[in-house]
This record gives sequence, C-alpha cells and structure tokens, in this order.
Amino acid sequence: GQQVMQIPQYQHVQEGEDFTTYCNSSTTLSNIQWYKQRPGGHPVFLIQLVKSGEVKKQKRLTFQFGEAKKNSSLHITATQTTDVGTYFCAGPESGGGADGLTFGKGTHLIIQP
Amino acid sequence: KAGVTQTPRYLIKTRGQQVTLSCSPISGHRSVSWYQQTPGQGLQFLFEYFSETQRNKGNFPGRFSGRQFSNSRSEMNVSTLELGDSALYLCASSLQGSRSYNSPLHFGNGTRLTVT
Repeated sequence: GQQVMQIPQYQHVQEGEDFTTYCNSSTTLSNIQWYKQRPGGHPVFLIQLVKSGEVKKQKRLTFQFGEAKKNSSLHITATQTTDVGTYFCAGPESGGGADGLTFGKGTHLIIQP
Repeated sequence: KAGVTQTPRYLIKTRGQQVTLSCSPISGHRSVSWYQQTPGQGLQFLFEYFSETQRNKGNFPGRFSGRQFSNSRSEMNVSTLELGDSALYLCASSLQGSRSYNSPLHFGNGTRLTVT
C-alpha cells in the first residue's frame, strides 16, 4: 500500500533558526496536505497543494509540492516558540484507492529559546 | 460553528472488553474519518464514512468497526480489546471526504483509550 515518509523525525533548533521537513510518498499523490499538532493537542490543517511544482506561502511558512507529485517540503523561516509541535504531511493516492488520507509519521520540531 | 466533538475524552478498559467511541462532526460535514495515533506508528487510518456508507477502510482487524448515522454522527467500536489497542483515537470530519479537493480534515480532541 501507499507509504508516506517524513524526515527528519526530530529537529532541534535555536529560536530564530530556519527549519525544513521533507515528505516523500511511494506513489503519486493527487494532492498533499500539511497539518500541525501542538503538544497535547490535535492535528490542525495548515494547507493543501494540488498542482505539480506548486509553492505556497503563509507568513514564515513555505510549502512546496514536487514536480512528480511524490514529494513535498515545509520550510519555516526564523522559527519562534509558537512553531513548536509536530508537522505532518498527508495525501491521498492519485487515481483513487481504498485508503483514506495517508499521514507521514511527522517531524517533531523542538525549539530552544 | 462548533468543532468536532469526541466523547469520552478518556477511557480505561481491561483486556477482552469492548468499547464504543462517539464523534459529532462539524455541522454540514458529511464525512467522518477515524484515526489511531500512537507514538510508534503515528496516525494510522481506520475508516472513513460518507453519508452513512463506509467509503474507505484501513488495514486494521475486524475487531475495529464503525458506523455513521443519518445526522452524520459516527461511532467506532473495538471488541475484544488488546493491550496494543491503547492509543489516542481521533475523529475528523470534512465537507466532501478526505480525498476531495478543498475538503481538509477537522480533527476532534480525541479519546485517550488505555487498555490494562
């Protein structure tokens, strides 16, 4: 079945440093979605990318969808303590399928003040 | 608009028992998905319902079942509980289903199930 891999699993950064997490799917995705889960909370939707090579920005966050629609990245510029949490990518397999949205295992962002 | 509501928040059961978890989606959302979250395996898809029909199913044993009612509320049942079923069970609703464009998942706070 479809697998979605995320690296790194954990990332420690100093406040103010940049952060990037990478997502790779074993199959082509019809779209890629990113979610953020704060410690003790539930995943919250951040953004959806649909087109090959698409780039979207939300303030300090930049999201990219690969040309082959099998990989994606999330880059945070100048991290702040409010960015702490786990970032998940998720995507439905292109062409239909019996699975729902497959999530990566997430990247835990830890920020040291 | 009220968010996704899951009850109960916490549950402690013993091996062999069964449990039913409840989820009320955001008003107007017709799709409800269920996920199991554990530290080791992350978010694993259980099943998705749309207008009372199971649309998608993950790779879980038959002990895990669910249903959706005409008001879109959903329940998940786990029978013959095992220690490994201890997890956070998350319900998420969406307007047209998780595979649809512009139909993101809205998660509830989850039910923390502990099996002893």
